[in-house]
Amino acid sequence: AQTVTQSQPEMSVQEAETVTLSCTYDTSESDYYLFWYKQPPSRQMILVIRQEAYKQQNATENRFSVNFQKAAKSFSLKISDSQLGDAAMYFCAYNAGGTSYGKLTFGQGTILTVHP
Amino acid sequence: DGGITQSPKYLFRKEGQNVTLSCEQNLNHDAMYWYRQDPGQGLRLIYYSQIVNDFQKGDIAEGYSVSREKKESFPLTVTSAQKNPTAFYLCASTSLRKSTEAFFGQGTRLTVV
Repeated sequence: AQTVTQSQPEMSVQEAETVTLSCTYDTSESDYYLFWYKQPPSRQMILVIRQEAYKQQNATENRFSVNFQKAAKSFSLKISDSQLGDAAMYFCAYNAGGTSYGKLTFGQGTILTVHP
Repeated sequence: DGGITQSPKYLFRKEGQNVTLSCEQNLNHDAMYWYRQDPGQGLRLIYYSQIVNDFQKGDIAEGYSVSREKKESFPLTVTSAQKNPTAFYLCASTSLRKSTEAFFGQGTRLTVV
């Protein structure tokens, strides 16, 4: 079974600074998808960024980028120029693809605090 | 606007009662999912359905039941057999095309009183 581990229960960053959230996963699949979701206090799950395992290039979405290390099974999220609105719980998630499209395995989450 | 609607937002249940959580989507998505979130934990899959009139158990299906009579609807019943039902429940949907993302509802907070 696939597992996703987020080893940082809490992180904090100063506004306008950069922070990196860590995620590792375990799978025997060669093709899969990885996601970072944000859950603000409203508890609405919001997709931040997505990475397809067959793509070597790291995904980027504005201030959010990932460092995808397939061999090491590592998938970290970098938030640049942090804003107060970035404060939330962040979840790393894995999807095996194939007949399992949409089934997500989540990490435990990292609470991100942004200080003004 | 297309999206997923969960109702109610808050639900209180007496011990021994069954309750049903509603999830409706108008995204024309094929697949729908129910996840449970406990404090300080990630989401765990309860049940999912990829086609009408068919559904599969997830990782923590005991004490729950679902139905999928319409493509748009995937209600979750929390039965009296669920020993610790107090949690936050999230419904999600996806198309079954490659590299799709999951869209989530706003959740239902269930509390046993």
